Amino acid sequence: GQNIDQPTEMTATEGAIVQINCTYQTSGFNGLFWYQQHAGEAPTFLSYNVLDGLEEKGRFSSFLSRSKGYSYLLLKELQMKDSASYLCAVMDSNYQLIWGAGTKLIIKP
Amino acid sequence: ETGVTQTPRHLVMGMTNKKSLKCEQHLGHNAMYWYKQSAKKPLELMFVYNFKEQTENNSVPSRFSPECPNSSHLFLHLHTLQPEDSALYLCASSQDRAGADTQYFGPGTRLTVL
Repeated sequence: GQNIDQPTEMTATEGAIVQINCTYQTSGFNGLFWYQQHAGEAPTFLSYNVLDGLEEKGRFSSFLSRSKGYSYLLLKELQMKDSASYLCAVMDSNYQLIWGAGTKLIIKP
Repeated sequence: ETGVTQTPRHLVMGMTNKKSLKCEQHLGHNAMYWYKQSAKKPLELMFVYNFKEQTENNSVPSRFSPECPNSSHLFLHLHTLQPEDSALYLCASSQDRAGADTQYFGPGTRLTVL
């Protein structure tokens, strides 16, 4: 079966750095997405990785290793507004998104 | 604001009621999706439409009935629901279904079935 694993919850301090991991086992691979979802709001697109390596976008970076079935989302200079759930999703060979259950990130002052 | 709107934002209904959820996208996309999001569970894909044609139905019970009159609008008709159907229902759209296109989501409808 297809499976996406990510931690249920993480806590970090304002101004610090946090890394949210995602491991996957899917039928084929057409890219990995990260979304941010604030409580009661729409998931919003953060990043897309299809090749190995690090993609940097401001305070957020996303890394992919296809051989290891592994990705992480790195958030730097954490702000209180970064408190949200972060969803990892992999597009399989049928171009269907397989979703993780999300990681709830709590930022403390 | 992602360009995808959903109404209503909140809905409470009894098991014998009939109601409809509405989604509209202003992005010029050709594919639209309905997802169910339950607490601490992965998003569950329910239905996919591409160029107004339903391309996927992921074994969804018949008490959920989708309708896509055009590429900009998507409805989910609900009838005789069960309490376990209480969840956040999310609509999304993407440029096309066939490629690795980013999906853009609406804010969802929080449904409570009594």
